[in-house]
Amino acid sequence: ILNVEQSPQSLHVQEGDSTNFTCSFPSSNFYALHWYRWETAKSPEALFVMTLNGDEKKKGRISATLNTKEGYSYLYIKGSQPEDSATYLCAFIRGGSNYKLTFGKGTLLTVNP
Amino acid sequence: DGGITQSPKYLFRKEGQNVTLSCEQNLNHDAMYWYRQDPGQGLRLIYYSQIVNDFQKGDIAEGYSVSREKKESFPLTVTSAQKNPTAFYLCASSTRQGTTEAFFGQGTRLTVV
Repeated sequence: ILNVEQSPQSLHVQEGDSTNFTCSFPSSNFYALHWYRWETAKSPEALFVMTLNGDEKKKGRISATLNTKEGYSYLYIKGSQPEDSATYLCAFIRGGSNYKLTFGKGTLLTVNP
Repeated sequence: DGGITQSPKYLFRKEGQNVTLSCEQNLNHDAMYWYRQDPGQGLRLIYYSQIVNDFQKGDIAEGYSVSREKKESFPLTVTSAQKNPTAFYLCASSTRQGTTEAFFGQGTRLTVV
């Protein structure tokens, strides 16, 4: 079983704070890394799909970076808003795995107004 | 509208009975996945399929079975051999290459009494 680790497990921040969390994955045989946001009572929705070492992607106040050589990705949220409260999941695909999408346990973010 | 549909949303079964969860997509995706979520466990992969008539075991396949007779459909059967079947089940689909986002259904909450 692949080890995809996310930290921290949960995070409470105040509205307006910037925050970041980490996804760690095996550094060998990298293929792709996905980030998803999962709000309560909804389905997970994709934020980013990253495939190249050094990739940086941005969507509004949320951005992500990727380091495949050391096996980690960071997700940043600038100026957190209460509507950013959700569980943030990363998922890893290893090369040669027949595109098996393996998720971490997620980081639960709560933004207090 | 294109999407992925799981049914039913809630399902109750007696212990010892097999039960089949439905997952249908009209996104023309080749790949489909079944995940299980338990509190504190994140999304764990049960089975996945990259093409019709072919599927692979995920990390927790014991006690489950699947079929992929049509591109649009990937039903999951929870058999009586599954020791702890009560959980939230999510289905997802994506393009086969894994470099585009996965789309998720709304989930089925199965309770076995």
